[in-house]
Amino acid sequence: EMQLLESGGGLVQPGGSLRLSCAASGFTFSSYAMSWVRQAPGKGLEWVSVISTGSTDIKYADSVRGRFTISRDNSKNTLYLQMNSLRAEDTAVYYCAKSRTTMTTAFDIWGQGTTVTVSS
Amino acid sequence: EIVLTQSPATLSLSPGERATLSCRASQSVPSYLAWYQQKPGQAPRLLIYDASNRATGIPARFSGSGSGTDFTLIISSLEPEDFAVYYCQQRTNWPITFGQGTRLEIK
Repeated sequence: EMQLLESGGGLVQPGGSLRLSCAASGFTFSSYAMSWVRQAPGKGLEWVSVISTGSTDIKYADSVRGRFTISRDNSKNTLYLQMNSLRAEDTAVYYCAKSRTTMTTAFDIWGQGTTVTVSS
Repeated sequence: EIVLTQSPATLSLSPGERATLSCRASQSVPSYLAWYQQKPGQAPRLLIYDASNRATGIPARFSGSGSGTDFTLIISSLEPEDFAVYYCQQRTNWPITFGQGTRLEIK
């Protein structure tokens, strides 16, 4: 069974940092683009970042560019999101999501999410 | 940025009825549109990709259509488990964007 399991969320003060992880299993992790998608409390879905299979192509939403860094370790089947200079508006459930194909496409597998709360 | 506008915001129907959800894009996305279902406290689930292809394990009562800027998700006969929030998503241009969602509630 294909699964994604996020971890690393928590409460952090404004200006602080967190590193999220997403452990993949049940599929060939290195063969698929991976993304982070977030959802603020009571709000809709917001795409955050994507990384290609070999980490050569990376994209960010304007709202996080320059503060967040996506990376992956294909040897560990793990996706990461380093979040710096956190703001209150970054408070959300963060999901990792697998692209349906090698390229960035629809997201066919999602993790259960990890909650990030930015507050003093 | 491609803006996706979903309508209606809320749809109130009864089990057994047909649901029609709309997603309109601010510019053409050819057929690169997906639909997701999200229930409270759960992650989204992919229903439809590339406008009209059902994802693995999705019941046949879910169907998608459209191209260009206008897309539709139809649930032919609502089951109790179908009441949820539905999102459309495009991947034609960066950034990837989602619609604001349609809440399908029990009448």
